[in-house]
Amino acid sequence: DAGVIQSPRHEVTEMGQEVTLRCKPISGHDYLFWYRQTMMRGLELLIYFNNNVPIDDSGMPEDRFSAKMPNASFSTLKIQPSEPRDSAVYFCASRGQGGYNEQFFGPGTRLTVL
Amino acid sequence: SQQGEEDPQALSIQEGENATMNCSYKTSINNLQWYRQNSGRGLVHLILIRSNEREKHSGRLRVTLDTSKKSSSLLITASRAADTASYFCATAQTGANSKLTFGKGITLSVRP
Repeated sequence: DAGVIQSPRHEVTEMGQEVTLRCKPISGHDYLFWYRQTMMRGLELLIYFNNNVPIDDSGMPEDRFSAKMPNASFSTLKIQPSEPRDSAVYFCASRGQGGYNEQFFGPGTRLTVL
Repeated sequence: SQQGEEDPQALSIQEGENATMNCSYKTSINNLQWYRQNSGRGLVHLILIRSNEREKHSGRLRVTLDTSKKSSSLLITASRAADTASYFCATAQTGANSKLTFGKGITLSVRP
């Protein structure tokens, strides 16, 4: 398996633009997680899905952020409009069912909003 | 607020020495996990310890868990330059063990 795939790896955009981050989880995994990592706040869970259904979106910072999982092999995280404070590394992770499973992380998308 | 808090924030040791990293947490947990992150990369799972376990080993890694003190430690024996990375503890809370809460991490530097 190729592992969790994220695209793009780097994104530079201007304030006010829409940004879409993409993730393909490991085949057969039932859970998908979106995280944001910054020096100041560390690694924060934004939202997670189970069987394509959003379970907990309490970490989504504002209405400007939205996430979807239209099928088991694809998820998007959208920021509209983007702001400079959204600059961070965004990670997607997936895991299988069961209470003692590790999460597998993608390589991340480094987002810079100018 | 962060559930897991690692200590120290940064650690620098000589190759061959042992590295000990600590993690404290606040609420009841189902399990605790340690992850490693190399610069510019995603996190990689190292080891998981369940709440009813006290110690686990995996290669050069040894993790302990003290639920009465709400703390865990990760020991890396005979460190190598390749162990240079950031290390994170993550907790799965009881009743909400589908998700993990990560600490801010420990930066480990192993000097050749």
